[in-house]
Amino acid sequence: EVQLVESGGGLVQPGRSLRLSCAASGFRFDDYAMHWVRQAPGKGLEWVSAISWNSDRVDYADSVKGRFTISRDNAKNSLSLQMNSVRAEDTALYYCAKDYSSLYSSYFFDHWGQGALITVSS
Amino acid sequence: EIVLTQSPATLSLSPGERATLSCRASQSVSSYLVWYQQKPGQAPRLLIYDAFNRATGIPTRFSGSGSGTDFTLTISSLEPEDFAVYYCQQRSNWPALTFGGGTKVEIK
Repeated sequence: EVQLVESGGGLVQPGRSLRLSCAASGFRFDDYAMHWVRQAPGKGLEWVSAISWNSDRVDYADSVKGRFTISRDNAKNSLSLQMNSVRAEDTALYYCAKDYSSLYSSYFFDHWGQGALITVSS
Repeated sequence: EIVLTQSPATLSLSPGERATLSCRASQSVSSYLVWYQQKPGQAPRLLIYDAFNRATGIPTRFSGSGSGTDFTLTISSLEPEDFAVYYCQQRSNWPALTFGGGTKVEIK
Protein backbone atom coordinates (compact mmCIF):
# COMPACT_ATOMS: atom_id res chain seq x y z
CA GLU A 1 0.00 0.00 0.00
CA VAL A 2 1.38 3.41 -0.97
CA GLN A 3 1.88 5.67 2.01
CA LEU A 4 3.07 9.27 2.04
CA VAL A 5 3.51 10.92 5.43
CA GLU A 6 4.37 14.60 5.69
CA SER A 7 6.05 16.17 8.68
CA GLY A 8 7.59 19.49 9.68
CA GLY A 9 4.53 21.69 9.61
CA GLY A 10 3.83 24.39 12.13
CA LEU A 11 3.74 28.10 12.85
CA VAL A 12 6.49 30.21 11.33
CA GLN A 13 7.05 33.96 11.26
CA PRO A 14 7.11 35.85 7.98
CA GLY A 15 10.57 35.89 6.43
CA ARG A 16 11.75 32.81 8.31
CA SER A 17 12.48 29.30 7.06
CA LEU A 18 10.89 25.90 7.46
CA ARG A 19 11.59 22.45 6.05
CA LEU A 20 8.89 19.94 5.17
CA SER A 21 9.55 16.26 4.78
CA CYS A 22 7.62 13.38 3.26
CA ALA A 23 8.32 9.74 4.09
CA ALA A 24 7.29 7.37 1.31
CA SER A 25 6.62 3.65 1.44
CA GLY A 26 4.79 0.94 -0.45
CA PHE A 27 6.27 1.65 -3.88
CA ARG A 28 9.64 1.98 -5.60
CA PHE A 29 10.28 5.57 -4.59
CA ASP A 30 13.27 6.00 -6.87
CA ASP A 31 11.16 5.20 -9.93
CA TYR A 32 8.77 8.13 -9.58
CA ALA A 33 8.75 11.87 -9.83
CA MET A 34 7.33 13.53 -6.75
CA HIS A 35 5.45 16.75 -6.18
CA TRP A 36 4.30 19.21 -3.57
CA VAL A 37 0.79 20.62 -3.87
CA ARG A 38 -0.71 23.08 -1.42
CA GLN A 39 -4.17 24.16 -0.38
CA ALA A 40 -4.82 27.38 1.50
CA PRO A 41 -7.52 27.10 4.17
CA GLY A 42 -10.92 26.84 2.51
CA LYS A 43 -9.40 27.29 -0.94
CA GLY A 44 -8.48 25.22 -3.98
CA LEU A 45 -5.36 23.33 -4.96
CA GLU A 46 -2.11 24.88 -6.14
CA TRP A 47 0.83 22.91 -7.54
CA VAL A 48 4.07 24.04 -5.89
CA SER A 49 7.01 21.97 -7.07
CA ALA A 50 8.15 18.77 -8.75
CA ILE A 51 11.32 16.70 -8.81
CA SER A 52 12.17 13.93 -11.27
CA TRP A 53 12.96 10.41 -10.14
CA ASN A 54 16.71 11.01 -10.27
CA SER A 55 16.64 14.69 -9.24
CA ASP A 56 17.96 15.88 -12.58
CA ARG A 57 14.95 18.08 -13.13
CA VAL A 58 13.19 20.31 -10.62
CA ASP A 59 10.31 22.68 -11.33
CA TYR A 60 8.58 25.37 -9.32
CA ALA A 61 5.47 27.47 -9.47
CA ASP A 62 6.25 31.11 -10.10
CA SER A 63 4.79 31.93 -6.67
CA VAL A 64 7.60 30.06 -4.87
CA LYS A 65 10.47 30.19 -7.36
CA GLY A 66 13.67 31.44 -5.74
CA ARG A 67 12.32 30.85 -2.21
CA PHE A 68 11.52 27.13 -2.06
CA THR A 69 13.83 24.22 -2.86
CA ILE A 70 12.67 20.67 -3.49
CA SER A 71 14.98 17.71 -2.96
CA ARG A 72 14.84 13.97 -2.46
CA ASP A 73 16.91 11.20 -0.92
CA ASN A 74 16.17 7.97 -2.74
CA ALA A 75 18.23 5.94 -0.28
CA LYS A 76 15.90 7.10 2.50
CA ASN A 77 12.67 7.18 0.45
CA SER A 78 12.17 10.78 1.42
CA LEU A 79 11.12 14.04 -0.19
CA SER A 80 11.76 17.50 1.21
CA LEU A 81 10.72 21.07 0.65
CA GLN A 82 12.94 23.82 2.04
CA MET A 83 10.85 26.94 2.43
CA ASN A 84 12.76 30.20 2.83
CA SER A 85 11.52 33.77 3.14
CA VAL A 86 8.00 32.57 3.83
CA ARG A 87 5.07 34.89 3.40
CA ALA A 88 1.54 35.01 4.78
CA GLU A 89 0.26 33.76 1.44
CA ASP A 90 2.28 30.55 1.89
CA THR A 91 -0.11 29.54 4.67
CA ALA A 92 -1.60 26.26 3.50
CA LEU A 93 -1.84 22.52 3.89
CA TYR A 94 1.10 21.10 1.95
CA TYR A 95 0.57 17.73 0.31
CA CYS A 96 3.27 15.38 -0.86
CA ALA A 97 2.04 13.65 -4.02
CA LYS A 98 3.32 10.79 -6.14
CA ASP A 99 3.47 11.15 -9.90
CA TYR A 100 1.35 8.72 -11.85
CA SER A 101 4.06 7.32 -14.14
CA SER A 102 7.36 5.66 -13.42
CA LEU A 103 10.65 6.97 -14.81
CA TYR A 104 9.14 10.06 -16.43
CA SER A 105 6.91 12.81 -15.12
CA SER A 106 3.26 12.71 -16.04
CA TYR A 107 2.48 15.78 -13.96
CA PHE A 108 -0.58 14.37 -12.30
CA PHE A 109 -0.92 12.58 -9.01
CA ASP A 110 -2.23 9.16 -8.07
CA HIS A 111 -1.40 9.15 -4.37
CA TRP A 112 -1.37 11.96 -1.84
CA GLY A 113 -0.31 12.27 1.76
CA GLN A 114 -2.60 13.73 4.40
CA GLY A 115 -0.77 17.02 4.38
CA ALA A 116 1.27 19.22 6.71
CA LEU A 117 -0.15 22.57 7.78
CA ILE A 118 2.08 25.61 7.52
CA THR A 119 0.87 28.80 9.13
CA VAL A 120 2.86 31.95 8.44
CA SER A 121 2.07 34.59 11.02
CA SER A 122 3.81 36.93 13.40
CA GLU B 1 -0.78 30.30 -17.51
CA ILE B 2 -3.75 28.18 -18.49
CA VAL B 3 -6.80 29.12 -16.45
CA LEU B 4 -9.36 26.41 -15.71
CA THR B 5 -12.88 27.56 -14.93
CA GLN B 6 -15.20 25.05 -13.27
CA SER B 7 -18.96 25.36 -13.26
CA PRO B 8 -21.19 25.42 -11.46
CA ALA B 9 -19.47 26.34 -8.21
CA THR B 10 -22.07 24.31 -6.33
CA LEU B 11 -24.36 21.57 -7.56
CA SER B 12 -27.26 20.57 -5.33
CA LEU B 13 -28.58 17.13 -6.18
CA SER B 14 -30.21 14.13 -4.57
CA PRO B 15 -28.78 10.61 -4.37
CA GLY B 16 -29.55 8.72 -7.55
CA GLU B 17 -29.50 11.82 -9.72
CA ARG B 18 -27.03 12.49 -12.51
CA ALA B 19 -24.29 15.05 -11.94
CA THR B 20 -22.67 16.96 -14.77
CA LEU B 21 -19.62 19.06 -13.93
CA SER B 22 -17.86 21.35 -16.38
CA CYS B 23 -14.24 22.44 -16.70
CA ARG B 24 -13.29 25.01 -19.33
CA ALA B 25 -9.69 25.87 -20.22
CA SER B 26 -8.50 29.29 -21.35
CA GLN B 27 -6.60 27.60 -24.17
CA SER B 28 -6.45 24.11 -25.58
CA VAL B 29 -5.06 21.43 -23.29
CA SER B 30 -5.66 18.68 -25.86
CA SER B 31 -6.80 15.69 -23.76
CA TYR B 32 -4.46 16.40 -20.86
CA LEU B 33 -7.17 17.03 -18.31
CA VAL B 34 -7.42 15.31 -14.95
CA TRP B 35 -10.22 15.11 -12.38
CA TYR B 36 -9.89 14.66 -8.61
CA GLN B 37 -12.40 14.22 -5.82
CA GLN B 38 -11.82 15.69 -2.38
CA LYS B 39 -13.92 15.00 0.70
CA PRO B 40 -13.74 17.19 3.84
CA GLY B 41 -10.58 16.56 5.83
CA GLN B 42 -9.15 14.24 3.20
CA ALA B 43 -6.54 14.46 0.50
CA PRO B 44 -7.67 14.59 -3.13
CA ARG B 45 -8.28 11.30 -4.90
CA LEU B 46 -7.49 10.72 -8.57
CA LEU B 47 -10.63 9.92 -10.56
CA ILE B 48 -10.01 10.49 -14.27
CA TYR B 49 -6.88 11.23 -16.26
CA ASP B 50 -6.38 12.39 -19.83
CA ALA B 51 -10.01 13.39 -20.13
CA PHE B 52 -11.69 9.99 -20.00
CA ASN B 53 -9.47 7.31 -18.42
CA ARG B 54 -10.72 6.09 -15.06
CA ALA B 55 -8.04 5.61 -12.44
CA THR B 56 -7.60 2.27 -10.71
CA GLY B 57 -10.55 1.38 -8.52
CA ILE B 58 -12.82 4.18 -9.65
CA PRO B 59 -16.43 3.08 -10.14
CA THR B 60 -17.87 3.09 -13.64
CA ARG B 61 -20.51 5.66 -12.65
CA PHE B 62 -17.73 8.24 -13.03
CA SER B 63 -16.95 9.18 -16.61
CA GLY B 64 -15.05 11.97 -18.30
CA SER B 65 -15.32 13.48 -21.73
CA GLY B 66 -14.12 16.39 -23.81
CA SER B 67 -11.01 17.70 -25.50
CA GLY B 68 -9.44 21.01 -26.36
CA THR B 69 -11.00 23.54 -24.02
CA ASP B 70 -14.25 21.95 -22.80
CA PHE B 71 -14.46 18.98 -20.48
CA THR B 72 -17.16 17.24 -18.50
CA LEU B 73 -17.15 14.93 -15.52
CA THR B 74 -20.36 12.93 -15.24
CA ILE B 75 -21.52 10.91 -12.27
CA SER B 76 -24.32 8.79 -13.67
CA SER B 77 -26.16 8.12 -10.43
CA LEU B 78 -24.98 9.81 -7.25
CA GLU B 79 -24.13 7.62 -4.30
CA PRO B 80 -24.02 9.11 -0.77
CA GLU B 81 -20.21 8.92 -0.80
CA ASP B 82 -19.99 11.03 -3.98
CA PHE B 83 -20.93 14.29 -2.28
CA ALA B 84 -17.62 16.11 -2.28
CA VAL B 85 -15.62 18.77 -4.09
CA TYR B 86 -14.31 17.99 -7.56
CA TYR B 87 -11.27 19.62 -9.12
CA CYS B 88 -9.95 19.55 -12.65
CA GLN B 89 -6.24 19.95 -13.44
CA GLN B 90 -4.42 20.45 -16.71
CA ARG B 91 -1.09 18.81 -17.39
CA SER B 92 -0.72 20.09 -20.91
CA ASN B 93 1.34 23.15 -20.05
CA TRP B 94 3.81 21.41 -17.74
CA PRO B 95 5.42 22.29 -15.50
CA ALA B 96 2.98 25.20 -15.11
CA LEU B 97 0.27 22.89 -13.80
CA THR B 98 -3.01 24.52 -12.87
CA PHE B 99 -6.21 23.47 -11.15
CA GLY B 100 -9.74 24.68 -11.48
CA GLY B 101 -11.47 26.34 -8.57
CA GLY B 102 -13.59 23.28 -7.81
CA THR B 103 -17.25 22.27 -7.93
CA LYS B 104 -18.96 21.25 -4.73
CA VAL B 105 -21.58 18.55 -5.14
CA GLU B 106 -23.92 18.82 -2.17
CA ILE B 107 -26.99 16.95 -1.04
CA LYS B 108 -30.19 18.71 -1.99
